[in-house]
This record gives sequence, C-alpha cells and structure tokens, in this order.
Amino acid sequence: QKEVEQNSGPLSVPEGAIASLNCTYSDRGSQSFFWYRQYSGKSPELIMSIYSNGDKEDGRFTAQLNKASQYVSLLIRDSQPSDSATYLCAAHTTGGGNKLTFGTGTQLKVEL
Amino acid sequence: NAGVTQTPKFQVLKTGQSMTLQCAQDMNHNSMYWYRQDPGMGLRLIYYSASEGTTDKGEVPNGYNVSRLNKREFSLRLESAAPSQTSVYFCAGREGGNQPQHFGDGTRLSIL
Repeated sequence: QKEVEQNSGPLSVPEGAIASLNCTYSDRGSQSFFWYRQYSGKSPELIMSIYSNGDKEDGRFTAQLNKASQYVSLLIRDSQPSDSATYLCAAHTTGGGNKLTFGTGTQLKVEL
Repeated sequence: NAGVTQTPKFQVLKTGQSMTLQCAQDMNHNSMYWYRQDPGMGLRLIYYSASEGTTDKGEVPNGYNVSRLNKREFSLRLESAAPSQTSVYFCAGREGGNQPQHFGDGTRLSIL
C-alpha cells in the first residue's frame, strides 16, 4: 500500500485560475512534507516545505497541512502555462528512517 | 555550488554490459539516494545511504549495487545490464532530520 497518495490527473485549469493539488498520507507520525515540481524530461525541483499545521505561503504558492486529516495540499494562484508540470508530494514518515516517501504525482495543465 | 551532479547524462548500453553511474554532492548531505523513474511509475527507490559507510536496499534493488565512496560520492553499478533497466536514474541528497531531498539532473539510460 502506497503511503502517500495523489490523484494522477491530469488536472486542467485555465490561465489565471487557482490550481489545487491534494495529497493524503497514511503514517500519522509523519512530521515533514514537501512539494516538488517536475517538468517533462527534468528532475524534481523542491518548491515548498511544510512542517506544522496550517498554511505556508511563498509567492503564488501556498502549502496547507492538516495532520488530523492526514492531508497536504498545494494551491497555485494566478496559474500560468509555465506551471504546467507534474507535482510530487513527499513525506518524511516515522517508519521510513532516512527516506522520504513520494506520491506518484499529479499532472497539472494550465490552459490558455 | 554545483549541488548534486550526476554523470553521465545519457548512456546507451548493450544487454550484458556493465556500467557505473556517478553521483557527487557538495551540499553537506549526510544521506544519498538512487531512484529510477519510468513512465507512469513515479520515483522508485533503488538503494540509499543514510550516512557515510552505510547502504541499504530500497524498493527495487535487484540488478544493482551501490558504493558510498565518501561523504560526497554515491555510485550505482549495473553489473549486467538488461533492457528492463532502461529508465531515467536520479540521484538525490539530504542533509538529514526534517530536511528535503535535492535531486541531480538525472541519467537517461537505454539498454538495447
């Protein structure tokens, strides 16, 4: 059973809209969560880290964490075509030792 | 500051050949990781090294070996390449604790 789950998409949003990407995790003891962006043919790039319940904002990106619901989300405001990519959610799980557990990613398409 | 550097970037092998993928980091990472990524499969952990001098198997270790030569370098070896090992290989490093992973640019490996 995959410990970090994401909808594979594709999620299509019009340019300028808010894109909402969701992730759930099974290990209630997980403490650290990360969002990576991966363009086609490129390596994953860290865009957000979140460690405590609530929202964390960085420019057009907001990460949200709800540990009680075991839910992490990424909001992208004013979506641009350049945001079109696959977004990977990752968690540092207590049973994972020094490893991060990655979801399989959600493909986002921002349409003109 | 180069971050995580992988060599080579591309390689074509014949079935049965051997080769070593190199990874070096200059980011004070204690832990290092090797992943493969295939279409629709997400990132799959091959091997990792929690600290210098230690290595552990990940999800898909068969057909691979690793060496943590020193803190900076973590290599992945294919002793007898098989077409099923055609993939994109990513090396990543992580400082430890609740820190994220940082990825290299990847090696695109084709085995004929």
